[in-house]
Amino acid sequence: ILNVEQSPQSLHVQEGDSTNFTCSFPSSNFYALHWYRWETAKSPEALFVMTLNGDEKKKGRISATLNTKEGYSYLYIKGSQPEDSATYLCAFLAGGKLIFGQGTELSVKP
Amino acid sequence: EPEVTQTPSHQVTQMGQEVILRCVPISNHLYFYWYRQILGQKVEFLVSFYNNEISEKSEIFDDQFSVERPDGSNFTLKIRSTKLEDSAMYFCASSEIPLGQPNQPQHFGDGTRLSIL
Repeated sequence: ILNVEQSPQSLHVQEGDSTNFTCSFPSSNFYALHWYRWETAKSPEALFVMTLNGDEKKKGRISATLNTKEGYSYLYIKGSQPEDSATYLCAFLAGGKLIFGQGTELSVKP
Repeated sequence: EPEVTQTPSHQVTQMGQEVILRCVPISNHLYFYWYRQILGQKVEFLVSFYNNEISEKSEIFDDQFSVERPDGSNFTLKIRSTKLEDSAMYFCASSEIPLGQPNQPQHFGDGTRLSIL
């Protein structure tokens, strides 16, 4: 059974702190890894689709790295702001289906 | 910016009844998906749909479920004979090309919260 794990499950930081969290996925038969940002009562918003080992993608203060050989991806947020508070989901593409992690819930206090 | 829309936002149904959840994908998208999230659990893939056919389905997507694109704009998920354990948030998503291409994510709707009583 393919499993995607995210850690930590939740994170509380102060405004201005930089933070990072991890997504672990199967290291064999890699095709793509998706990151989504999901605010309460809204739809998940796509952040990145990562396909190549060593990929590094950036969107404003958010960046992500990918290591397909060891099966992990890091998401970094530089200088967290209260509006970054959300659940961050990663999802591993396997056989045409996305397998989701349980998410990291980030809370940024002003 | 174009978006995926889902109706209703909340559906309450008696156990044993049939429900139809509706989605309008982004107009130039060709690939459509349904996911669900039972409270406190991971988001789970249900089914993907392309060219009027199911492309992939999970073990969850049994004979109780069906999908349809009845009129070229709507994409529906029908759940027959609903059970208590069908209570979940159901998300529709669409994409322009198949998943896995760099910079080509899915776009999700806001979801329908289904409550089975």
